[in-house]
Order: sequence, then structure tokens, then C-alpha cells
Amino acid sequence: SYVLTQPPSVSVAPGQTARITCGGNNIGSKSVHWYQQKPGQAPVLVVYDDSDRPSGIPERFSGSNSGNTATLTISRVEAGDEADYYCQVWDSSSDHSPVVFGGGTKLTVL
Amino acid sequence: QVQLQESGPGLVKPSETLSLTCAVSGYSISSGYYWGWIRQPPGKGLEWIGSIYHSGSTYYNPSLKSRVTISVDTSKNQFSLKLSSVTAADTAVYYCARQRVATITGYYFDYWGQGTLVTVSS
Repeated sequence: SYVLTQPPSVSVAPGQTARITCGGNNIGSKSVHWYQQKPGQAPVLVVYDDSDRPSGIPERFSGSNSGNTATLTISRVEAGDEADYYCQVWDSSSDHSPVVFGGGTKLTVL
Repeated sequence: QVQLQESGPGLVKPSETLSLTCAVSGYSISSGYYWGWIRQPPGKGLEWIGSIYHSGSTYYNPSLKSRVTISVDTSKNQFSLKLSSVTAADTAVYYCARQRVATITGYYFDYWGQGTLVTVSS
């Protein structure tokens, strides 16, 4: 099955830039999507198709994808960005679930 | 604005069937898109359960396929999940979501319900 690997945690000071990675075999050939989940809330799509933002998502959120790593970048981090972030791809190459989520990264704003 | 709302029992006994419904507002299911169910055990990550098209076409996570049935009722603009023979491992927050086609391949989820906690316990 296809595996997405995320760091369990990332910490950043307010105003700085946070980078959350999502590793996968040749992930650059897939569309990568990112979700933000705050405690007790449903996930919210923040980036889709590697680097597009849904309406209402601040420009501070951006994404990139190349080779074996996709990255969610959050610029000028705010306290309200503290949340869990999940990457997701579609992989139909095996008998396992075609919807694959990363294990999630907890972003802590210091 | 598309909104989804899950409903159903919050407590299910082991070996019984979990049943949830997702009511959609702000968009007609008959207009298109796949509609999916995703779950999240307490303190853990996200797991896709399965999805359904407005025509009734379905596909499921192979790890759950033998126990899952997803159906759609376009007249009520809602879709439903049934998970049979539940155990404590099925305790989770269950989300419904709208599924969009990605640019390169596959899908992503652009609108989510608030989620509903289902506990499996006697």
C-alpha cells in the first residue's frame, strides 16, 4: 500500500514560517491535498491539487510538490494556525484503500 | 454554501450495525460528485470508509468492504452508512464529506460535516 509520512510535530514562533512535509514514493506524480483540523472540529481543506487554495483560505497557506516530498508552507504563522495537518493523495495501484492520508502533524505555535 | 450534517445513534452495542445519515443542504446530490464517509478514532488519524455517486455507484475501503454499505436517497438529498458487526475498534468520530476530482488523478474532500462520535460498547 502507498504510505505517506509526516513528522509528528512541528513548532514555530508567531510570525515565522512553518513547513510541514509529506513524504511518499514519487509523490510528485500525484495530486496532494492538505487539511487543517483544530481540536474538536472537522478537517478543513486548506490546499488542494498541490498548491491551490479554496476560497476563504488565507494566502499565507501554500503548497508545493516534487520528487518524493510535498510541503505545506504557512507564512507569518498566527496562534490560530495551531492545529493538526493531514496530507492526502489518491493511489489506486494496490488492493488497499485508494484514499491515503498521512499520519498527521501537530503544529505548535510557541 | 454546501453544508453536511451527520446524524445517528451515538452508542452501538458490539456485533450490531452502526447506521448514520448525512443530510446535505446548499447543493443537490443529484447534480453530481461523489459523497464519502471518513472516520477518526479518538486521538488517531483519518481513515476513508467509502463513497457513493448520485447514481448509486459505490466503492469501499477494501479493509472494511465486507461490513460496509453506503446508499443514497436523492429525494431527501442525503446518503447513509451502515457498518455491520461492529467492535470497540469501530469507535470513532464519523464524518461525511463531498468528494471532488483532483487535477492529476483521484479525489479530495472539499466540504465536511461536523462529525458525530459513535461509541461501540455494551
